Formats: sequence, structure tokens, C-alpha cells
Amino acid sequence: QKEVEQDPGPLSVPEGAIVSLNCTYSNSAFQYFMWYRQYSRKGPELLMYTYSSGNKEDGRFTAQVDKSSKYISLFIRDSQPSDSATYLCAMTSLIQGAQKLVFGQGTRLTINP
Amino acid sequence: DSGVTQTPKHLITATGQRVTLRCSPRSGDLSVYWYQQSLDQGLQFLIQYYNGEERAKGNILERFSAQQFPDLHSELNLSSLELGDSALYFCASSVAYGPLTYNEQFFGPGTRLTVL
Repeated sequence: QKEVEQDPGPLSVPEGAIVSLNCTYSNSAFQYFMWYRQYSRKGPELLMYTYSSGNKEDGRFTAQVDKSSKYISLFIRDSQPSDSATYLCAMTSLIQGAQKLVFGQGTRLTINP
Repeated sequence: DSGVTQTPKHLITATGQRVTLRCSPRSGDLSVYWYQQSLDQGLQFLIQYYNGEERAKGNILERFSAQQFPDLHSELNLSSLELGDSALYFCASSVAYGPLTYNEQFFGPGTRLTVL
């Protein structure tokens, strides 16, 4: 079983819809939780990161972490065709040396105009 | 553009061969990380260097090695290549190595390796 599980999709929604992306994990030592966006043939770029449990909002994006359930989510409001990409969750812990990121498989998202 | 550069963009080689991938971190970044992305395994951490010294190791094969030079650029050496080594190899960099704090990793555009 992988440390981080993420539904690979693909996920296809109409423009303007609210998108929900999720990951579950098994390692309770994880403390930092990140969402990366990766366009085709490009490197991942950090969207948001959260420390421990709670919510964080940045424009149309909201990240949620529920450490008790070992579950993290990314919500995209008013989705745009430019949001079409693969979204990767990632997490790390201080025990692992702080920067050894463990990624989910990635969810391929398509926003249809 | 993240500021991290990787060369070459594409590499095609044969089984049994050896290749070197190069990474230049963002200006001022001292930490360099290497990741492998394949369809079946996803994005996996290989190794981290900080200011020339190895700091963390992931699922890196013994056939693979890396180093970070005094000018902070890094090289990933892959030897005795197998078909299964075909993947995207990403380099990332961050400002520092902090066992007590998280530092954002900025990813380069990757090197696509094809082993025939």
C-alpha cells in the first residue's frame, strides 16, 4: 500500500464548476501538505501548502487538511479551462528530513468550456 | 519559469549505457533535489543535496548517483540503464535545508529519458 493515495481520474467538469480533489495518507508523521499543479510536459508548480490541520484559501483555491482522518482536499471554485492540468498532492515530515516529499499519483483534470 | 534549469531536455539512449543529467538551481538556492516521474510509480524522491553534501535519500537505485558541485549545480548519473529507467527526471531547488521548517521546492522543466 502506498503512503499517499490519490485517485488518478481522469476528472472532467464544465467550466464554472466546483472541483474537489482528494488524497489520503497513512503516515501520521506527515506535517506539511502541499498541492502541486503540473501542465503537460512541464515541471510541477506549487499551488498551496498547509502546515498541520486546517483550511487555507488563496483566491479560487482552498486547501483542507484533516489529520485525524488522514485526508486532504483541494477545492477549485469557478473552474476555468486554464485549470486543466494534473494536480498532485504531496506531503512531508520533519522526521524525514523536512524536504523529502511524498507525492500522490496525481489527478488529471479537464475543464470543458 | 521557476528559475531552475535542466539539460538536456530529451535523452535517448540504449540499455546498458550511462548518462548524466544536469541541473542548475535558482540563484541563491542551496538545496537541490532529484525526482523521477514514471507512469506506474508517479513522482518519487531520489536524493537531496545541500551545499554540496548529501542530506536525504529516497528510493534511489545503486546504479544511480548524484553530486552537487561548489557552484551548486548538480548532476545525476544513471548507469547500466534498463528499459524501466525511462522516465521524466526532475530537479528542484529550495533556499535552504531546514529540519525545522518547510522551504518551497521549485521544480525545473525536467529531462525526458528514453532507454531503447
